[in-house]
Amino acid sequence: QKEVEQDPGPLSVPEGAIVSLNCTYSNSAFQYFMWYRQYSRKGPELLMYTYSSGNKEDGRFTAQVDKSSKYISLFIRDSQPSDSATYLCAMTRSGSARQLTFGSGTQLTVLP
Amino acid sequence: DADVTQTPRNRITKTGKRIMLECSQTKGHDRMYWYRQDPGLGLRLIYYSFDVKDINKGEISDGYSVSRQAQAKFSLSLESAIPNQTALYFCATSDPTGNRETQYFGPGTRLLVL
Repeated sequence: QKEVEQDPGPLSVPEGAIVSLNCTYSNSAFQYFMWYRQYSRKGPELLMYTYSSGNKEDGRFTAQVDKSSKYISLFIRDSQPSDSATYLCAMTRSGSARQLTFGSGTQLTVLP
Repeated sequence: DADVTQTPRNRITKTGKRIMLECSQTKGHDRMYWYRQDPGLGLRLIYYSFDVKDINKGEISDGYSVSRQAQAKFSLSLESAIPNQTALYFCATSDPTGNRETQYFGPGTRLLVL
């Protein structure tokens, strides 16, 4: 069983829709949670970063972490065609050697 | 100019050949990483280096080797390429100061082993 599970999609939504992307994980030692966005033929880039449980909002993006359920989410409001990409969740433990464990990624297409 | 560059961007090779993928960065970060990305498997860590003298194996290091020539350069070698090493390879860097450690990825090298 993978430490981090993510629905690969693909997910297709109309422009303006609210998008919900999710990951579950099994290792309770994970403390830092991230969402990376990867456009086609590009490297991943950090989109959101959250420490421990709670919500974090940045413009149209909201990241939620529920450590009791080992579940993280990324919400995209008023989705745009430019949001079309693969979204990867990632997480890591505390400590100096913070290797990231990635989910497999969800491919999102926002249709104009 | 890009902060993390990878060469080549695309490579086709044959089984048994030795190849090297190169990564350079201008971000001044000490930490560098090599990942491979396969459909349905996400990013998996091959090797990582916290400074020039510190090299560590990642989750899937078998069949790979690395060299950290300088703070800015980190190379990945496939000593004898095999078809199941066909994948997208990414180099990344990070700066561990503070609690937030963001990894910055290069554009990737698409490798096909025939």
